[in-house]
Amino acid sequence: AQSVTQLDSQVPVFEEAPVELRCNYSSSVSVYLFWYVQYPNQGLQLLLKYLSGSTLVKGINGFEAEFNKSQTSFHLRKPSVHISDTAEYFCAVRLINDYKLSFGAGTTVTVRA
Amino acid sequence: EAQVTQNPRYLITVTGKKLTVTCSQNMNHEYMSWYRQDPGLGLRQIYYSMNVEVTDKGDVPEGYKVSRKEKRNFPLILESPSPNQTSLYFCASSPSTGSHTEAFFGQGTRLTVV
Repeated sequence: AQSVTQLDSQVPVFEEAPVELRCNYSSSVSVYLFWYVQYPNQGLQLLLKYLSGSTLVKGINGFEAEFNKSQTSFHLRKPSVHISDTAEYFCAVRLINDYKLSFGAGTTVTVRA
Repeated sequence: EAQVTQNPRYLITVTGKKLTVTCSQNMNHEYMSWYRQDPGLGLRQIYYSMNVEVTDKGDVPEGYKVSRKEKRNFPLILESPSPNQTSLYFCASSPSTGSHTEAFFGQGTRLTVV
């Protein structure tokens, strides 16, 4: 079975500073990788996904993530955050022959002026 | 607009009173699932359905039931709710074929059982 570990539960950051959210996964077979964002009182919205090919994936709102197979990681980055990026971020994995998503515990990002 | 619709958004109920949370999708997706979200635990799958009349348990199915009589609908049923089922619930759907591999989520249902 696959599992996901988000290494930081809370990340406070100042506006216009860079942010990195760390995600490690374990799986004995190939996976698809996702980052979802949950704004306050809203559902989950897909930020980006890695299926295959280039290991650097660009998503919406200026976010990008890099897949590192040897380290089984999929860290999310943004070079300059805005107040509106305050949200909870979830890393998720899915086996390529299945449909079930396994989620990490989430990282709460709080952007301060 | 492609969407997953859950109702109600908020629900407060008493222990033991049966309730149903509805979920409907308009994307003709085969795969649907229910998750609960709890602080520090992320989202955990309750039940899923591969297609009409095909359902199976996820990671935390105890105390829940589902049905899939139509492709678009996947209601979550709590026959006898208990306080430990107080949580935020999400319905999700995804296609089983094609290049779109991500799940689409509803807006969530915040359930409080007192």
